[in-house]
Amino acid sequence: SQQGEEDPQALSIQEGENATMNCSYKTSINNLQWYRQNSGRGLVHLILIRSNEREKHSGRLRVTLDTSKKSSSLLITASRAADTASYFCATDGNQFYFGTGTSLTVIP
Amino acid sequence: DGGITQSPKYLFRKEGQNVTLSCEQNLNHDAMYWYRQDPGQGLRLIYYSQIVNDFQKGDIAEGYSVSREKKESFPLTVTSAQKNPTAFYLCASTPGLAGGEQYFGPGTRLTVT
Repeated sequence: SQQGEEDPQALSIQEGENATMNCSYKTSINNLQWYRQNSGRGLVHLILIRSNEREKHSGRLRVTLDTSKKSSSLLITASRAADTASYFCATDGNQFYFGTGTSLTVIP
Repeated sequence: DGGITQSPKYLFRKEGQNVTLSCEQNLNHDAMYWYRQDPGQGLRLIYYSQIVNDFQKGDIAEGYSVSREKKESFPLTVTSAQKNPTAFYLCASTPGLAGGEQYFGPGTRLTVT
């Protein structure tokens, strides 16, 4: 069974707005990662947050992790049309588990 | 260019035929993975390999087989026993099995009719 579950399943925003996606998982983890997938392509790694970290930044990306609630969020600030993609969280306990993804559409 | 290559990008087969998907990496990574992705879904792990000549079943291994004769190569065979083989198949690798960033290939879209 899949470990991660993203919320919402789909999100549509205007360019320049912020986009927030959430991920919940079930068991203890070593770290949590976020990936991006453009339609019909492979996944690209965005950011990794370790289980002992609470927040991490990378450019316009901000990730938070709450291990007590087994949840993480990905914030994309000042969104661009090029951010349109699906976003997945992945956890690695004894193997990698990917969530079902959030499909983000940024309208120019 | 370092990375993972998968070929072909699109593959069409008749029902009842076995088909092998290629995955090659020149990143010197020890661990390699095969995932299946269905429309609007996340990735499900089929098989993974931590080291040459060793591999483990993932969550949906039934109807699939793999080999790892070389560190660089991890081919996946979709057998006729796989009931719903039409899907997007993604190969990935990591330096080791201890976690960290996964590097993905571009994927192979398999259609079985």
